[in-house]
Amino acid sequence: NAGVTQTPKFQVLKTGQSMTLQCAQDMNHNSMYWYRQDPGMGLRLIYYSASEGTTDKGEVPNGYNVSRLNKREFSLRLESAAPSQTSVYFCASSGRAFSYYNEQFFGPGTRLTVL
Amino acid sequence: GENVEQHPSTLSVQEGDSAVIKCTYSDSASNYFPWYKQELGKRPQLIIDIRSNVGEKKDQRIAVTLNKTAKHFSLHITETQPEDSAVYFCAASNYGGSQGNLIFGKGTKLSVKP
Repeated sequence: NAGVTQTPKFQVLKTGQSMTLQCAQDMNHNSMYWYRQDPGMGLRLIYYSASEGTTDKGEVPNGYNVSRLNKREFSLRLESAAPSQTSVYFCASSGRAFSYYNEQFFGPGTRLTVL
Repeated sequence: GENVEQHPSTLSVQEGDSAVIKCTYSDSASNYFPWYKQELGKRPQLIIDIRSNVGEKKDQRIAVTLNKTAKHFSLHITETQPEDSAVYFCAASNYGGSQGNLIFGKGTKLSVKP
């Protein structure tokens, strides 16, 4: 099992460009999440999907959109990238939302730089 | 909403010493408290978690304690080794509530000196 995978690993964008970060999991998990990690700020939730067909905003959703394509895949889109979105982005998944069995498994991360 | 404070932000210990990292949370309804370890350039990985119905949990050299009344929980690492050097994150969540998302602390960078 690959667990949680993310593409790309690195990306450099110019201000105003758009891009989509891809995430997939092969653990048959119901819930998936997107976080951003900035120095000294810890992990902050951008969006999550409790189950296939649903998505909800997290702590810092502005400037992002998401799509839960199917049970395995959850993508994050930046429509018009800004330097403030320079960060490391982690995707995660967990078995069941709103339950004790919610160990979140993280992907390897995407390091995004917006110039 | 929930807010998690984590201290200290950096911690340096000698190999073999113990390390303690503390977190406080604001939502008394929170009932699940995991700890994640993130090595440099790697993904966060769960190392131990505790639920609100227990006060302490131990796994070899690591342990977590929970004080629900004071709304704080701590990670204890004994006999530290250089491979324990990493950033540690605490988190809190309220399962069964309106949303069961993890709210993370800002992390503690632990350095273990040989």
